[in-house]
Amino acid sequence: DAGVIQSPRHEVTEMGQEVTLRCKPISGHNSLFWYRQTMMRGLELLIYFNNNVPIDDSGMPEDRFSAKMPNASFSTLKIQPSEPRDSAVYFCASSPRTGRDQPQHFGDGTRLSIL
Amino acid sequence: GESVGLHLPTLSVQEGDNSIINCAYSNSASDYFIWYKQESGKGPQFIIDIRSNMDKRQGQRVTVLLNKTVKHLSLQIAATQPGDSAVYFCAETANFGNEKLTFGTGTRLTIIP
Repeated sequence: DAGVIQSPRHEVTEMGQEVTLRCKPISGHNSLFWYRQTMMRGLELLIYFNNNVPIDDSGMPEDRFSAKMPNASFSTLKIQPSEPRDSAVYFCASSPRTGRDQPQHFGDGTRLSIL
Repeated sequence: GESVGLHLPTLSVQEGDNSIINCAYSNSASDYFIWYKQESGKGPQFIIDIRSNMDKRQGQRVTVLLNKTVKHLSLQIAATQPGDSAVYFCAETANFGNEKLTFGTGTRLTIIP
């Protein structure tokens, strides 16, 4: 079975540029999560969706960050304009259904470097 | 399992020995717990989970113990192998229809050949 697929795996860009990270969840999973991982702050939840609807975006750092889920098999996380402090590994995860006790399954992340 | 500051605890274990990784959590309402393994360059990989109505659960070479009285979780790995070297995270949620996981800071496990 295919797991969560993220692209690109690595992204290096200059500050001020727009960055778009992509995620394909596991087929049939109803919940999708975006996380950011840094050495200083560890793994932080940015936003999550249930059935393509954003449920909690309280972790999104600021208005420069936005996320969409136009359908059940695709989500994007966009940063515009990007800043050096956005450099991190961004993970997408999905889980089978809403409600209780469902482990999240992670992709292998996008390593983002903003110069 | 508060995710603040990031001096990663480390544990070194001889290959073939058992290892125990500990995690303390602070939310007494937490009722679902997960252990993840993260290898270099990869995303966290689900290992095992446990609900708050249990105090022990076993998988293949792994056992999770939950002590709700002292809000402590542990992951035991039997007969460790080089492939067990990774960072291990505990995660918790007070999952009353809410799927937000809180991750611990992680423990780096190194298996010595």
